[in-house]
Amino acid sequence: GAGVSQSPSNKVTEKGKDVELRCDPISGHTALYWYRQSLGQGLEFLIYFQGNSAPDKSGLPSDRFSAERTGGSVSTLTIQRTQQEDSAVYLCASSLIPGSGANVLTFGAGSRLTVL
Amino acid sequence: EDQVTQSPEALRLQEGESSSLNCSYTVSGLRGLFWYRQDPGKGPEFLFTLYSAGEEKEKERLKATLTKKESFLHITAPKPEDSATYLCAVRTDSNYQLIWGAGTKLIIKP
Repeated sequence: GAGVSQSPSNKVTEKGKDVELRCDPISGHTALYWYRQSLGQGLEFLIYFQGNSAPDKSGLPSDRFSAERTGGSVSTLTIQRTQQEDSAVYLCASSLIPGSGANVLTFGAGSRLTVL
Repeated sequence: EDQVTQSPEALRLQEGESSSLNCSYTVSGLRGLFWYRQDPGKGPEFLFTLYSAGEEKEKERLKATLTKKESFLHITAPKPEDSATYLCAVRTDSNYQLIWGAGTKLIIKP
């Protein structure tokens, strides 16, 4: 597509429920990133995909968080047994050339998650 | 530890009042410094990349500069539509992932 698409744009859930967030990157972009943005904080790196594999999962905050990418395209971030501290905006970005100094990320609009 | 700090946290200016935003960094080998703009409810949008001290980039009313310790985003005669949060990020030799500052929220009053 023309840009990075994320869904849902807004999700309100109850503590303990599972949620799935979806990211559809720019066609042809091999690298895909998930970030978390909390109010007043910088972007927190969660996970990076190169194609369908995730060489860097170091940012996932706990084993309740997982992500997958299929067909080198769409990615899903799953949060199990959500907690109130999971409330944040989850941003997805894609890029053409991963890891290089020239790497420019194109972001989606984000999924705002509120855990009650 | 690699670190990026932005100041001020928020800046309120009158339309036409020029100013600068600061991004200071302590990293082990800079491979690139990035400026992004983020509007409410949207993801960050790329503005500039700077690679070496002394480099400058310009776009409309914005000019980004880089030294060995910090970068400035200069805003000349800003307009209300320049209101946004401006984010700075760096890539280092030791970590290809971007390290982000917390951003500066810029408000331009008409």
